[in-house]
Amino acid sequence: EPEVTQTPSHQVTQMGQEVILRCVPISNHLYFYWYRQILGQKVEFLVSFYNNEISEKSEIFDDQFSVERPDGSNFTLKIRSTKLEDSAMYFCASTESSGGAGELFFGEGSRLTVL
Amino acid sequence: QKEVEQDPGPLSVPEGAIVSLNCTYSNSAFQYFMWYRQYSRKGPELLMYTYSSGNKEDGRFTAQVDKSSKYISLFIRDSQPSDSATYLCAMSTMNRDDKIIFGKGTRLHILP
Repeated sequence: EPEVTQTPSHQVTQMGQEVILRCVPISNHLYFYWYRQILGQKVEFLVSFYNNEISEKSEIFDDQFSVERPDGSNFTLKIRSTKLEDSAMYFCASTESSGGAGELFFGEGSRLTVL
Repeated sequence: QKEVEQDPGPLSVPEGAIVSLNCTYSNSAFQYFMWYRQYSRKGPELLMYTYSSGNKEDGRFTAQVDKSSKYISLFIRDSQPSDSATYLCAMSTMNRDDKIIFGKGTRLHILP
């Protein structure tokens, strides 16, 4: 069964360091998302990406964040200068159709710990 | 008022019981309503998906949407210990590229 894969599963970094989280969405999907879940909190939308550009981003997704689809398969989330409050589980998701019209498939997540 | 509200629980019920999970929402533009299940340290997985008002049944799971009350429910019949997880309600409008908004999730424990 096709799945969304994410690497690394866990990354520990020092405050101020750059982090890149990687995702391989399902191959025929067109819409890509990053969500974040701080421990014990809700799953929060960060950004959506379609046709090689950002469709929508949340207030959380400030200038420290960027996304890229460098080739036909990878979708990355970069945090330029990590802060303690960036510690969370980051989920990549993809879907064939936009918004609520399509099933959102999530990866298993990348746990980021900022020290 | 938060866009989607969901009681975080935890909710503990004995095996075999009927479980009722609920969410309320404030945005009347929401048209798609979803329930995701999330096991510890895993990504959410879609359980049920309904459009607009009404009921939908899939095996032991029934999803209900009452748009007039802005209230959605998930019922689990004959609950099993393997149903123990966090259940997230989620919803979206029909607008192209619109994001899916999640509730906080309800932690459910099914006691053997």
